[in-house]
Amino acid sequence: NAGVTQTPKFRILKIGQSMTLQCAQDMNHNYMYWYRQDPGMGLKLIYYSVGAGITDKGEVPNGYNVSRSTTEDFPLRLELAAPSQTSVYFCASGQGLNQPQHFGDGTRLSIL
Amino acid sequence: DQQVKQNSPSLSVQEGRISILNCDYTNSMFDYFLWYKKYPAEGPTFLISISSIKDKNEDGRFTVFLNKSAKHLSLHIVPSQPGDSAVYFCAASVTSGTYKYIFGTGTRLKVLA
Repeated sequence: NAGVTQTPKFRILKIGQSMTLQCAQDMNHNYMYWYRQDPGMGLKLIYYSVGAGITDKGEVPNGYNVSRSTTEDFPLRLELAAPSQTSVYFCASGQGLNQPQHFGDGTRLSIL
Repeated sequence: DQQVKQNSPSLSVQEGRISILNCDYTNSMFDYFLWYKKYPAEGPTFLISISSIKDKNEDGRFTVFLNKSAKHLSLHIVPSQPGDSAVYFCAASVTSGTYKYIFGTGTRLKVLA
């Protein structure tokens, strides 16, 4: 039972490069989320989706884009990487209201 | 504006004793609260939750207490075990019209054997 799978686990980017962080879940959850966690901080919501084709901004969306073409996948795109985007990124999925989220193990991203 | 606050960055407790982790919030509209546990190099895992219609929820060694008038919740772990050593996050949401959770900054619990 895979749950939420994130790839890659680690990545180093140069300033200005772009990349896509992959997230897939096999629990048939409608709701999916992307968070970033900076050192000593809590999780900040970047984007979320309540179903295929529906996405919305969270607290810190600038510099990121998302798409949700299927229930299973919710990729996060960084178009022009900046040092401020160095962080650990977590993807999560859930069944909705009053339900806990299930998290992947994270992608540690460094931008130099 | 930190709507969910965990003012203690770290806590050390002897094995077998009670661990009490605290969380304060400012938004009176929050009506659902959760605690997550996080080990290094892993994602957070759900521990226990409570709805605002309750003031206590218990699951084995874990109990969450909610004091709505004080906008305060706490997680009690009894008895504490070395495997409980982790970072604990509280999170809160307004369940009507939104699916977003606001997380605190976490408290690192160390249970000493």
